[in-house]
Amino acid sequence: DAGVIQSPRHEVTEMGQEVTLRCKPISGHNSLFWYRQTMMRGLELLIYFNNNVPIDDSGMPEDRFSAKMPNASFSTLKIQPSEPRDSAVYFCASTLNLQEAFFGQGTRLTVV
Amino acid sequence: ELKVEQNPLFLSMQEGKNYTIYCNYSTTSDRLYWYRQDPGKSLESLFVLLSNGAVKQEGRLMASLDTKARLSTLHITAAVHDLSATYFCAAPLSGYALNFGKGTSLLVTP
Repeated sequence: DAGVIQSPRHEVTEMGQEVTLRCKPISGHNSLFWYRQTMMRGLELLIYFNNNVPIDDSGMPEDRFSAKMPNASFSTLKIQPSEPRDSAVYFCASTLNLQEAFFGQGTRLTVV
Repeated sequence: ELKVEQNPLFLSMQEGKNYTIYCNYSTTSDRLYWYRQDPGKSLESLFVLLSNGAVKQEGRLMASLDTKARLSTLHITAAVHDLSATYFCAAPLSGYALNFGKGTSLLVTP
């Protein structure tokens, strides 16, 4: 398996623009997580899905953030409108029954 | 709320020396995870500890779990430069998602 695949790897956008981050989990995994990493706040859990259903989105910082998982092989994290403070590395991870979580390479987002 | 605390947060050690990184968590959990992150890279799974008393070793790294004390340790033996990285421990929140500590930045010097 190619592992967890995220796209794009880097994104630079202007404040106010919509940003969509994409994730393809490992085939057969039943849980998917979105994390955000910054120097100040470390690794923060934004939302996680189990069997494509959002279980806990309490980590989503604001209504500007939304996430979907339309099927077992694809998830998106959308920020609309984006702000400079959203600049961070966004990681997607997947796991099978929480045995071990595998992380994607991350998307480095810069909002100017 | 589950809290995961690591110490130290920064560690500079000489090659050949031994050291231990500690990970405490605030609520009951029967499993604990260790990850490594190199600068600008993703997180790589090192160890999955699934029960009280679990001990796992890979090369110069050994991890253990004491669920009664809510403590996990990552022991480094005879450190080498290649071990320089940031190490994270994580415990499951609400049975599913992993809650991470702030990480221990390790620098191994000659």
